[in-house]
Amino acid sequence: GESVGLHLPTLSVQEGDNSIINCAYSNSASDYFIWYKQESGKGPQFIIDIRSNMDKRQGQRVTVLLNKTVKHLSLQIAATQPGDSAVYFCAEMPNGRRALTFGSGTRLQVQP
Amino acid sequence: GAGVSQSPSNKVTEKGKDVELRCDPISGHTALYWYRQSLGQGLEFLIYFQGNSAPDKSGLPSDRFSAERTGGSVSTLTIQRTQQEDSAVYLCASSLDPYSNQPQHFGDGTRLSIL
Repeated sequence: GESVGLHLPTLSVQEGDNSIINCAYSNSASDYFIWYKQESGKGPQFIIDIRSNMDKRQGQRVTVLLNKTVKHLSLQIAATQPGDSAVYFCAEMPNGRRALTFGSGTRLQVQP
Repeated sequence: GAGVSQSPSNKVTEKGKDVELRCDPISGHTALYWYRQSLGQGLEFLIYFQGNSAPDKSGLPSDRFSAERTGGSVSTLTIQRTQQEDSAVYLCASSLDPYSNQPQHFGDGTRLSIL
């Protein structure tokens, strides 16, 4: 569900493990999805995107999975590194709109 | 630089004053967006510019907020008669072609604090 204020859901993993960050999106008319990484004091950094005509897309160490049936998006990070520690946001773009709707974010903590 | 540039990076002002925030998008990007991020929150859409089309102002929270984009490049977000609830990080993004689902690339934002 939604998190409020500073109480972001937190995922804590060991360095070298794989991480999975989940996101439930709200609009069944959304046709474009993006994952962003945000470090403290910085703007969101683009990681990977996926269009609604796909259910999986791979990048370097990252994979995004899209399940339109249950409106679920996930980001998988392989061999997680301390530099991956950040807040991760999913964002959706409803068909016909150009503004992104952001999820509330998940904090990833990587333990060395 | 090659990324979205925002200035100032930090702004502290007194309640009731007007503020102007500036955004320089990535060269060649036709679409420009403003978002707001309150402490610990996700991003909230404010306004979107695309070429010479009328901007999408549907996210502006009140008539104290306005934005313009001159010459299809630099944009200025203006907040008049600032209130304490306006305190947030204001983020600007640009994209190459919004009609073909290109990702939005963000600047590092202006952290606005209203005393």
